[in-house]
Amino acid sequence: GIQVEQSPPDLILQEGANSTLRCNFSDSVNNLQWFHQNPWGQLINLFYIPSGTKQNGRLSATTVATERYSLLYISSSQTTDSGVYFCASFYSGGGADGLTFGKGTHLIIQP
Amino acid sequence: DAGVIQSPRHEVTEMGQEVTLRCKPISGHDYLFWYRQTMMRGLELLIYFNNNVPIDDSGMPEDRFSAKMPNASFSTLKIQPSEPRDSAVYFCASSESGGALYGYTFGSGTRLTVV
Repeated sequence: GIQVEQSPPDLILQEGANSTLRCNFSDSVNNLQWFHQNPWGQLINLFYIPSGTKQNGRLSATTVATERYSLLYISSSQTTDSGVYFCASFYSGGGADGLTFGKGTHLIIQP
Repeated sequence: DAGVIQSPRHEVTEMGQEVTLRCKPISGHDYLFWYRQTMMRGLELLIYFNNNVPIDDSGMPEDRFSAKMPNASFSTLKIQPSEPRDSAVYFCASSESGGALYGYTFGSGTRLTVV
């Protein structure tokens, strides 16, 4: 199955800083998502981005499917951005399959 | 839409007891997934359904775990008998058309503690 690797595993930043989180995947995919798990444990869907670039406020994501990686950009970080960011992916030839998750990047934004 | 709804949010039970976790997917979604999250293993897929039919249960850890989806709006994950190592957060997710259009949406999870 698909292997998903995320880097860095941990990141500590000051409020206002920018950050880039990376996700590498081992094979062709037709689904890639970024999630934020907040301190209460909720998994919030940030982006569905199997290819291309999307932006939502201070967050943006880019997936280069041919090179098997995706990047999540967070600009002007706020303390509420703290939590774990997961990349997840699958390849399906037709129907669906379970998402394979990376181990996550633990982000701490200090005031 | 209210999103994917899971209940209960927290469950504490004694070893050997039966535990039932519940999930209501988003209306119109034809796929439903059960995941488990632990510190050691991260997020792992347990089982998924398509149109209420179990498709892949290879992630179910052992026979003590069972899942059902009697209709399009309800699914259960049952553990009988429960053991302390089953303590984890259990997530339910649903998707439309296999997730190839809009991705998967997760519920808020059930935190299970077996003592």
